[in-house]
Amino acid sequence: NAGVTQTPKFRVLKTGQSMTLLCAQDMNHEYMYWYRQDPGMGLRLIHYSVGEGTTAKGEVPDGYNVSRLKKQNFLLGLESAAPSQTSVYFCASSYSGARETQYFGPGTRLLVL
Amino acid sequence: GENVEQHPSTLSVQEGDSAVIKCTYSDSASNYFPWYKQELGKRPQLIIDIRSNVGEKKDQRIAVTLNKTAKHFSLHITETQPEDSAVYFCAATSDYKLSFGAGTTVTVRA
Repeated sequence: NAGVTQTPKFRVLKTGQSMTLLCAQDMNHEYMYWYRQDPGMGLRLIHYSVGEGTTAKGEVPDGYNVSRLKKQNFLLGLESAAPSQTSVYFCASSYSGARETQYFGPGTRLLVL
Repeated sequence: GENVEQHPSTLSVQEGDSAVIKCTYSDSASNYFPWYKQELGKRPQLIIDIRSNVGEKKDQRIAVTLNKTAKHFSLHITETQPEDSAVYFCAATSDYKLSFGAGTTVTVRA
């Protein structure tokens, strides 16, 4: 099992450009999450999904959109990147909710110039 | 929503000594409290968790305690080793999503 994988590992964008981050899991997990990690601020939830076809806003959703068309994939989109979105993005999944172990992907480092 | 505060933000300990990290939470309905460890450049990984129906849980050199009345929980690492150097995050939840503390950077001095 590959677990949770993320694509790409690193990306540089110019302000105003768009991009999509892909998260994939092969553990048949229902729940998937997107976090951003900034120095001194821990992990902040952007959006999450409780199952295929569902999405919900987290703590810091502005400027991001998500889609969960397939159970194994969770996509995070930035329509018009801003320097404030420079961060490390982690995807995670869990079998049946937040009260179970969350398995994290390796992260995507995004730099917006 | 849930608010989790974590202290200290940095902690330096001599190898072999103990380390203690403390977290407080705001939502009395929270009932699950995991701790994640993140080594430099790596992904966070669960190291131990506790549910609200127990007060303490141990796993070898690590232990977690929970005080529901005071709404705080703590991570204890005994006999620290160099491989314990990492960032540790506490978290709490009562529903579909975890709220994380800001993290504690632990450095174990040889």
